[in-house]
Amino acid sequence: DAMVIQNPRYQVTQFGKPVTLSCSQTLNHNVMYWYQQKSSQAPKLLFHYYDKDFNNEADTPDNFQSRRPNTSFCFLDIRSPGLGDAAMYLCATSKQGDSQPQHFGDGTRLSIL
Amino acid sequence: AQSVAQPEDQVNVAEGNPLTVKCTYSVSGNPYLFWYVQYPNRGLQFLLKYITGDNLVKGSYGFEAEFNKSQTSFHLKKPSALVSDSALYFCAVRDDSNFNKFYFGSGTKLNVKP
Repeated sequence: DAMVIQNPRYQVTQFGKPVTLSCSQTLNHNVMYWYQQKSSQAPKLLFHYYDKDFNNEADTPDNFQSRRPNTSFCFLDIRSPGLGDAAMYLCATSKQGDSQPQHFGDGTRLSIL
Repeated sequence: AQSVAQPEDQVNVAEGNPLTVKCTYSVSGNPYLFWYVQYPNRGLQFLLKYITGDNLVKGSYGFEAEFNKSQTSFHLKKPSALVSDSALYFCAVRDDSNFNKFYFGSGTKLNVKP
């Protein structure tokens, strides 16, 4: 089945140690998103790609970066994780078009020691 | 600016009873509205959408939603709740000016008791 896959599902890192989360998709969607979700709150959009066009949210900390080397893959890099960055990180995709919903992966739960 | 509001943090309903999860929206143009469900430690799953057409939209798992333009609402409904419907539900609206952006409500936790 076509899907959005996030690896790993659980990630533990140390305070200040860089970490990379990955997302891949088999849907061939041209838009990919990264969201941060804390404690059953609404997902907070960090950034999204429309093809290779990167769109950063104004309130996304500089500590968060992203790469999209090709259509299928997208990475979230956290350069110096702080305790406040512990959260669920959700990757999503959508197909360009006004009627298209987003398709979400199952997330990576990040813990900071 | 676009936004959605979910006025209830939690909804409790007995199994077999009808359920409603409320959502109101604010948009400057035509509303493109979505409902998602999230189970623990899972991503959001798409349930249904309203783009245009019939005000009653049918979706996955027996859910439906009623679009009401005069009340700017898009409430999620199900005639007979199941215990397995217990989850977190999010309403979302698409951005008018940037079709690739979506705004989510704060979420409503649905508890269905046997």
